[in-house]
Amino acid sequence: DGGITQSPKYLFRKEGQNVTLSCEQNLNHDAMYWYRQDPGQGLRLIYYSQIVNDFQKGDIAEGYSVSREKKESFPLTVTSAQKNPTAFYLCASSIDAGPRRPQHFGDGTRLSIL
Amino acid sequence: DQQVKQNSPSLSVQEGRISILNCDYTNSMFDYFLWYKKYPAEGPTFLISISSIKDKNEDGRFTVFLNKSAKHLSLHIVPSQPGDSAVYFCAAKGGGADGLTFGKGTHLIIQP
Repeated sequence: DGGITQSPKYLFRKEGQNVTLSCEQNLNHDAMYWYRQDPGQGLRLIYYSQIVNDFQKGDIAEGYSVSREKKESFPLTVTSAQKNPTAFYLCASSIDAGPRRPQHFGDGTRLSIL
Repeated sequence: DQQVKQNSPSLSVQEGRISILNCDYTNSMFDYFLWYKKYPAEGPTFLISISSIKDKNEDGRFTVFLNKSAKHLSLHIVPSQPGDSAVYFCAAKGGGADGLTFGKGTHLIIQP
Protein backbone atom coordinates (compact mmCIF):
# COMPACT_ATOMS: atom_id res chain seq x y z
CA ASP A 1 0.00 0.00 0.00
CA GLY A 2 1.69 3.20 -1.18
CA GLY A 3 1.93 6.19 1.06
CA ILE A 4 3.91 8.42 3.37
CA THR A 5 4.83 7.18 6.83
CA GLN A 6 5.81 9.53 9.62
CA SER A 7 7.10 8.25 12.91
CA PRO A 8 6.67 8.52 15.77
CA LYS A 9 3.14 9.95 16.01
CA TYR A 10 3.97 11.67 19.32
CA LEU A 11 7.40 12.79 20.45
CA PHE A 12 8.60 14.44 23.61
CA ARG A 13 11.85 16.34 23.93
CA LYS A 14 13.70 17.89 26.78
CA GLU A 15 14.89 21.43 26.34
CA GLY A 16 18.35 21.60 24.81
CA GLN A 17 18.07 18.27 23.00
CA ASN A 18 18.03 17.64 19.27
CA VAL A 19 15.36 15.30 17.97
CA THR A 20 14.86 13.68 14.55
CA LEU A 21 11.50 13.09 12.91
CA SER A 22 11.24 10.32 10.35
CA CYS A 23 9.49 10.52 6.97
CA GLU A 24 9.46 7.64 4.51
CA GLN A 25 7.55 7.33 1.23
CA ASN A 26 7.12 4.41 -1.16
CA LEU A 27 5.40 6.40 -3.89
CA ASN A 28 8.61 6.79 -5.91
CA HIS A 29 8.21 10.57 -5.65
CA ASP A 30 11.17 12.81 -6.36
CA ALA A 31 10.09 15.82 -4.29
CA MET A 32 9.59 15.88 -0.53
CA TYR A 33 8.59 18.63 1.91
CA TRP A 34 8.39 19.42 5.61
CA TYR A 35 5.74 21.70 7.05
CA ARG A 36 4.90 22.89 10.52
CA GLN A 37 1.38 23.58 11.80
CA ASP A 38 0.61 25.60 14.93
CA PRO A 39 -2.87 25.80 16.53
CA GLY A 40 -5.29 27.86 14.43
CA GLN A 41 -2.68 28.36 11.74
CA GLY A 42 -2.04 27.10 8.26
CA LEU A 43 0.94 24.97 7.32
CA ARG A 44 4.30 26.70 6.91
CA LEU A 45 7.15 25.33 4.81
CA ILE A 46 10.35 24.39 6.66
CA TYR A 47 12.47 22.63 4.02
CA TYR A 48 11.96 20.98 0.66
CA SER A 49 13.91 18.63 -1.57
CA GLN A 50 13.47 18.36 -5.32
CA ILE A 51 15.70 15.34 -5.72
CA VAL A 52 18.12 13.09 -3.82
CA ASN A 53 21.12 14.90 -2.29
CA ASP A 54 19.49 18.29 -2.78
CA PHE A 55 17.39 20.39 -0.41
CA GLN A 56 16.41 24.02 0.01
CA LYS A 57 15.27 26.20 2.91
CA GLY A 58 11.63 27.12 3.13
CA ASP A 59 10.04 30.03 4.95
CA ILE A 60 10.91 28.99 8.51
CA ALA A 61 14.13 26.91 8.29
CA GLU A 62 15.93 28.41 11.28
CA GLY A 63 16.58 25.82 13.98
CA TYR A 64 15.94 22.88 11.66
CA SER A 65 18.10 20.64 9.46
CA VAL A 66 17.37 17.93 6.92
CA SER A 67 19.11 15.33 4.77
CA ARG A 68 18.09 13.52 1.60
CA GLU A 69 20.47 10.61 1.14
CA LYS A 70 17.81 8.28 -0.23
CA LYS A 71 14.86 8.98 -2.51
CA GLU A 72 12.36 7.48 -0.09
CA SER A 73 13.58 9.19 3.09
CA PHE A 74 13.63 12.84 4.22
CA PRO A 75 14.32 13.09 7.99
CA LEU A 76 13.92 16.40 9.81
CA THR A 77 16.08 17.30 12.83
CA VAL A 78 14.72 19.86 15.27
CA THR A 79 17.77 21.35 16.92
CA SER A 80 18.15 23.09 20.27
CA ALA A 81 18.39 26.34 18.32
CA GLN A 82 14.66 26.12 17.50
CA LYS A 83 13.18 28.30 20.24
CA ASN A 84 9.58 27.19 19.92
CA PRO A 85 9.58 23.59 18.65
CA THR A 86 6.22 22.49 20.04
CA ALA A 87 4.05 21.96 16.96
CA PHE A 88 2.51 19.42 14.59
CA TYR A 89 5.00 18.45 11.87
CA LEU A 90 3.83 17.22 8.48
CA CYS A 91 5.83 15.60 5.72
CA ALA A 92 4.62 15.61 2.11
CA SER A 93 5.76 14.39 -1.28
CA SER A 94 4.89 14.99 -4.92
CA ILE A 95 5.84 13.15 -8.07
CA ASP A 96 8.26 15.95 -8.85
CA ALA A 97 8.71 19.62 -7.99
CA GLY A 98 7.19 20.85 -11.22
CA PRO A 99 4.18 23.13 -11.44
CA ARG A 100 0.66 21.74 -10.98
CA ARG A 101 1.74 18.81 -8.85
CA PRO A 102 -0.44 18.06 -5.83
CA GLN A 103 1.39 17.19 -2.64
CA HIS A 104 0.35 14.20 -0.56
CA PHE A 105 0.80 14.20 3.18
CA GLY A 106 1.67 11.80 5.97
CA ASP A 107 -0.30 11.76 9.23
CA GLY A 108 2.14 13.95 11.10
CA THR A 109 4.25 13.92 14.26
CA ARG A 110 3.25 15.98 17.27
CA LEU A 111 6.33 17.27 19.09
CA SER A 112 6.09 18.51 22.67
CA ILE A 113 8.72 19.98 24.96
CA LEU A 114 8.96 18.57 28.49
CA ASP B 1 1.67 39.10 5.78
CA GLN B 2 -0.71 36.38 4.63
CA GLN B 3 -0.64 35.63 0.94
CA VAL B 4 -3.54 33.15 1.17
CA LYS B 5 -6.51 34.14 3.30
CA GLN B 6 -9.49 32.16 4.48
CA ASN B 7 -11.55 34.74 6.30
CA SER B 8 -14.14 32.39 7.78
CA PRO B 9 -12.69 30.33 10.65
CA SER B 10 -15.84 28.21 10.72
CA LEU B 11 -18.95 27.46 8.68
CA SER B 12 -22.06 25.52 9.64
CA VAL B 13 -24.23 23.95 6.91
CA GLN B 14 -27.23 21.68 7.02
CA GLU B 15 -26.82 18.17 5.63
CA GLY B 16 -27.89 17.98 1.99
CA ARG B 17 -27.36 21.69 1.32
CA ILE B 18 -24.47 23.35 -0.51
CA SER B 19 -21.27 24.25 1.36
CA ILE B 20 -19.27 27.15 -0.07
CA LEU B 21 -15.77 27.78 1.27
CA ASN B 22 -13.93 30.90 0.18
CA CYS B 23 -10.28 31.80 -0.27
CA ASP B 24 -8.50 34.98 -1.36
CA TYR B 25 -4.89 35.41 -2.41
CA THR B 26 -2.60 38.38 -2.93
CA ASN B 27 0.38 36.99 -4.85
CA SER B 28 -0.07 37.38 -8.63
CA MET B 29 2.62 34.73 -9.21
CA PHE B 30 0.39 31.96 -7.90
CA ASP B 31 -0.85 29.85 -10.80
CA TYR B 32 -2.00 26.60 -9.17
CA PHE B 33 -4.52 26.29 -6.38
CA LEU B 34 -5.50 23.33 -4.24
CA TRP B 35 -8.01 22.40 -1.56
CA TYR B 36 -7.19 19.98 1.24
CA LYS B 37 -9.42 18.39 3.87
CA LYS B 38 -8.02 17.68 7.32
CA TYR B 39 -9.29 15.71 10.31
CA PRO B 40 -7.74 16.25 13.77
CA ALA B 41 -4.38 14.50 14.33
CA GLU B 42 -4.19 13.45 10.68
CA GLY B 43 -2.42 14.84 7.64
CA PRO B 44 -4.31 16.88 5.03
CA THR B 45 -5.95 14.93 2.21
CA PHE B 46 -5.83 16.38 -1.29
CA LEU B 47 -9.32 17.09 -2.64
CA ILE B 48 -9.19 19.06 -5.85
CA SER B 49 -7.01 21.57 -7.69
CA ILE B 50 -7.24 24.15 -10.44
CA SER B 51 -4.65 25.86 -12.60
CA SER B 52 -4.84 29.51 -13.54
CA ILE B 53 -5.72 28.71 -17.15
CA LYS B 54 -9.12 27.43 -16.02
CA ASP B 55 -11.99 29.02 -14.11
CA LYS B 56 -13.72 25.84 -12.98
CA ASN B 57 -12.83 22.26 -12.12
CA GLU B 58 -15.29 19.62 -11.01
CA ASP B 59 -14.81 16.25 -9.35
CA GLY B 60 -17.92 14.50 -8.12
CA ARG B 61 -19.52 16.54 -5.34
CA PHE B 62 -16.61 19.02 -5.30
CA THR B 63 -16.24 22.00 -7.63
CA VAL B 64 -13.58 24.70 -7.43
CA PHE B 65 -14.11 28.09 -9.04
CA LEU B 66 -11.30 30.55 -9.76
CA ASN B 67 -11.76 34.27 -10.39
CA LYS B 68 -8.32 35.53 -11.33
CA SER B 69 -9.26 39.18 -11.63
CA ALA B 70 -10.60 39.15 -8.07
CA LYS B 71 -7.84 36.80 -6.83
CA HIS B 72 -10.55 34.65 -5.33
CA LEU B 73 -11.39 30.97 -5.35
CA SER B 74 -14.15 28.95 -3.80
CA LEU B 75 -14.90 25.31 -3.10
CA HIS B 76 -18.48 24.10 -3.50
CA ILE B 77 -19.61 20.83 -1.95
CA VAL B 78 -22.99 19.56 -3.12
CA PRO B 79 -24.74 17.90 -1.40
CA SER B 80 -23.01 18.25 1.95
CA GLN B 81 -22.68 15.05 3.97
CA PRO B 82 -21.80 14.43 7.64
CA GLY B 83 -18.40 13.02 6.66
CA ASP B 84 -17.54 16.39 5.13
CA SER B 85 -17.16 17.88 8.61
CA ALA B 86 -13.46 18.76 8.79
CA VAL B 87 -11.05 21.66 8.42
CA TYR B 88 -10.55 22.73 4.81
CA PHE B 89 -7.33 24.40 3.72
CA CYS B 90 -6.83 26.44 0.61
CA ALA B 91 -3.28 26.35 -0.79
CA ALA B 92 -1.46 28.01 -3.66
CA LYS B 93 1.75 27.57 -5.62
CA GLY B 94 3.76 29.67 -8.04
CA GLY B 95 5.84 28.38 -10.90
CA GLY B 96 8.86 27.56 -8.76
CA ALA B 97 9.91 24.30 -7.16
CA ASP B 98 9.16 25.31 -3.60
CA GLY B 99 6.24 24.28 -1.43
CA LEU B 100 2.65 25.35 -1.04
CA THR B 101 1.39 28.47 0.70
CA PHE B 102 -1.57 27.66 2.92
CA GLY B 103 -4.46 29.62 4.37
CA LYS B 104 -5.38 29.19 8.04
CA GLY B 105 -8.29 26.88 7.26
CA THR B 106 -12.08 26.87 7.63
CA HIS B 107 -13.76 24.44 9.99
CA LEU B 108 -16.82 23.08 8.19
CA ILE B 109 -19.55 21.60 10.37
CA ILE B 110 -22.35 19.66 8.70
CA GLN B 111 -25.46 19.57 10.85
CA PRO B 112 -28.03 16.77 10.55
